[in-house]
Amino acid sequence: KQEVTQIPAALSVPEGENLVLNCSFTDSAIYNLQWFRQDPGKGLTSLLLIQSSQREQTSGRLNASLDKSSGRSTLYIAASQPGDSATYLCAVPFYGQNFVFGPGTRLSVLP
Amino acid sequence: GAVVSQHPSRVICKSGTSVKIECRSLDFQATTMFWYRQFPKQSLMLMATSNEGSKATYEQGVEKDKFLINHASLTLSTLTVTSAHPEDSSFYICSASSGTGRTDTQYFGPGTRLTVL
Repeated sequence: KQEVTQIPAALSVPEGENLVLNCSFTDSAIYNLQWFRQDPGKGLTSLLLIQSSQREQTSGRLNASLDKSSGRSTLYIAASQPGDSATYLCAVPFYGQNFVFGPGTRLSVLP
Repeated sequence: GAVVSQHPSRVICKSGTSVKIECRSLDFQATTMFWYRQFPKQSLMLMATSNEGSKATYEQGVEKDKFLINHASLTLSTLTVTSAHPEDSSFYICSASSGTGRTDTQYFGPGTRLTVL
């Protein structure tokens, strides 16, 4: 059974800081890993998708890395902004396409 | 990019009534659609997977007679919460994929917030 955990559960930082969100999964036989953003009461926005053959993906100020052997992924956010405040979820497909989601990291970036 | 819509975005109903939530893929054909549920301060949990024209596959612990899923076309799936009760109050999100492969991206709808009084 695949289990996904995320650390920290919550994070509050001043604007401009670089920060790292961590995701761990128990079954390393994954096909890809995806990072999402969820604003309160809203649906999910896909941020980055890393295929199992890749080690990292970048989009703007976001960089996600993947280490399958250790069962870890990190999401790096550079120069954080108040607009980055949201819950960040990582998810891995299990038994095909079904996702197993982590519990999320609630990020607050203070102006 | 691919867009998935959900309707309604919010619904409030009385206990015992049934509520239907629609999930549509607007600019692509969704071979597979997924329904998730999220309780407050908890992560998303997959409820069921549906493929167009066939019966949905429900996750363990999800009552198929209570959560009726219909995927009648390649652009529409519906989730009907029958005889809703307050404990069914939750945030329901659908996602859609145009493929069946393990690397296909899922596109998520904006979600529907259900409140049962």
